[in-house]
Amino acid sequence: DAGVIQSPRHEVTEMGQEVTLRCKPISGHDYLFWYRQTMMRGLELLIYFNNNVPIDDSGMPEDRFSAKMPNASFSTLKIQPSEPRDSAVYFCASRSGQGAGTQYFGPGTRLLVL
Amino acid sequence: QKEVEQDPGPLSVPEGAIVSLNCTYSNSAFQYFMWYRQYSRKGPELLMYTYSSGNKEDGRFTAQVDKSSKYISLFIRDSQPSDSATYLCAMETGGFKTIFGAGTRLFVKA
Repeated sequence: DAGVIQSPRHEVTEMGQEVTLRCKPISGHDYLFWYRQTMMRGLELLIYFNNNVPIDDSGMPEDRFSAKMPNASFSTLKIQPSEPRDSAVYFCASRSGQGAGTQYFGPGTRLLVL
Repeated sequence: QKEVEQDPGPLSVPEGAIVSLNCTYSNSAFQYFMWYRQYSRKGPELLMYTYSSGNKEDGRFTAQVDKSSKYISLFIRDSQPSDSATYLCAMETGGFKTIFGAGTRLFVKA
């Protein structure tokens, strides 16, 4: 398996622009997570899905952030409009519902909002 | 107060040293305890996983959980330069929502 795939790997954009991050989870995994990592706040859970349904979005910072999972093999995290404080590394992770603990992370998307 | 507290370091040790990394937590409902390793510009990867209290050993790595003290540890024996990374503790109650510590940056000098 290729692991969790994220695109783009790097994104530089200007304040006010829309940003869309993409994730392909590991085939067969029924949980998908979006995280944000910064030096100041560490690794924060933004939202997670089970069987394509959002379960907990309490970590989404504000209405500018939205996430979708239209099918089992694809998810997006959208920021509109983007702000400089959104600059961070965004990780997608997936796991199977069988057994606890093992999340598999993607390589991350480094976002810089100017 | 954060649910999970972890000293961010950095921690610098000579090659061959024994490394001790620690986290404390406040939520007594946590049952699953993990350690993830994250190399620079990479995603975290699971290193050790423990359910409830006790010890678990895997090669040079030993994970310990003391639920009575709400304290978990990761020991690395015979540390190598390749162990240089950020180590994140993580915990779950069983509901698939994982809470991560801030991560400790470790440098092992050759």
